[in-house]
Amino acid sequence: DIQMTQSPSSVSASVGDRVTVTCRASQGISTWLAWYQQKPGKPPKLLINTASALQSGVPSRFSGSGSGTDFTLTISSLQPEDSATYYCQQGNSFPRFTFGGGTKVEIK
Amino acid sequence: QVQLQQSGPGLVKPSQTLSLTCVISGDSVSRNDIAWNWIRQSPSRGLEWLGVTYYRSGWTNVYALSLESRITINSETSKNQFSLHLDSVTPEDTAVYYCARGSFRALDVWGQGTTVTVSS
Repeated sequence: DIQMTQSPSSVSASVGDRVTVTCRASQGISTWLAWYQQKPGKPPKLLINTASALQSGVPSRFSGSGSGTDFTLTISSLQPEDSATYYCQQGNSFPRFTFGGGTKVEIK
Repeated sequence: QVQLQQSGPGLVKPSQTLSLTCVISGDSVSRNDIAWNWIRQSPSRGLEWLGVTYYRSGWTNVYALSLESRITINSETSKNQFSLHLDSVTPEDTAVYYCARGSFRALDVWGQGTTVTVSS
């Protein structure tokens, strides 16, 4: 199984700050990497697919990059509504998927 | 607009079978470029992919290796839905269960989630 490791596990930042979340795959996954945002009591919401493709309706302050084993989710200017837990997911071993452990983003 | 509506019991006794259904609206379970998934989430396991059913020239089901002996996913085209059955449950199977649509190797539409507790 491909393992996905996210860091940090949590981050606290102020409104307007730039926030970066990292995801590392245990083996190369090309760009088959997705990012999700999850708020309490809700299902995950797909933000970014194939490492950098923003889903329709997702604010442009969210961006993704990377290929192979190392990937990054960036929030360029943190907003109050971005408080959530973010997960990465590899799709290289389709149809079997694996998720990272999550990064909790909090607003100071 | 694609929507997934989950149904099923929130409490299951140990050793019994957990069964959940996901009804699809705005899409087709037999569409040949989409896959229909089950995922669960618990504090101890995080997000865990359970399995998938999809139609290409025929139906294919693929399951998480850790659950292969206990899990069945099937689809019902006449009702445009798919179902999860997990046998011989234990308290470790307590989780929030989600159905989700797979597209381009990601999960772009999710059901509302069903909290399932395994307890006598």
